[in-house]
Amino acid sequence: AQKVTQAQTEISVVEKEDVTLDCVYETRDTTYYLFWYKQPPSGELVFLIRRNSFDEQNEISGRYSWNFQKSTSSFNFTITASQVVDSAVYFCALSESPNSGGSNYKLTFGKGTLLTVNP
Amino acid sequence: ETGVTQTPRHLVMGMTNKKSLKCEQHLGHNAMYWYKQSAKKPLELMFVYNFKEQTENNSVPSRFSPECPNSSHLFLHLHTLQPEDSALYLCASSSRSGGRGGETQYFGPGTRLLVL
Repeated sequence: AQKVTQAQTEISVVEKEDVTLDCVYETRDTTYYLFWYKQPPSGELVFLIRRNSFDEQNEISGRYSWNFQKSTSSFNFTITASQVVDSAVYFCALSESPNSGGSNYKLTFGKGTLLTVNP
Repeated sequence: ETGVTQTPRHLVMGMTNKKSLKCEQHLGHNAMYWYKQSAKKPLELMFVYNFKEQTENNSVPSRFSPECPNSSHLFLHLHTLQPEDSALYLCASSSRSGGRGGETQYFGPGTRLLVL
């Protein structure tokens, strides 16, 4: 069975600090997809990134970057020069390929990391 | 982003009431989902609809009744709920990828439900 672990329940930083949110996953599939979502206090889950298991290139989008390492089954998320507006709960999620019996739509979420950025 | 909208945003109801949650997606997607998010728990998938057909009921109690009249609208009818049903109910949609997997789900803002 697939599993996503976000060991950091809460992180608190001061504005302009860099912060890394950890995500470790378990799956028996060779084809799978990883996601990050942001949930601000308003409640809506905002899609940030989708990565398939064959693409291990790190990705950068503005102040956001993602480090995907299959060797350690990790998909970590770094925010550079954090801002107060980054305060939210961040979720990592995994979906498997239907080719191995998984469901192509079923997302397994981690429990989330609450990030608080203080001014 | 107003791709997926949900109404009402907040709802307080008694255990004997009947109410409905509404979700509408404006993204041209063909799959829709209901999730429950309780405090201190991971998101729980409740129901999945694909082209208006229910494809998954994740052992949800019958006091929750979904309805999907078309690919753009999804309802969750509530009756005789319990206080432990108080939670944030999130709707999501995605575009079926023809079996390739890894669909991105886009979420609405949720309905915060309080059952007294």
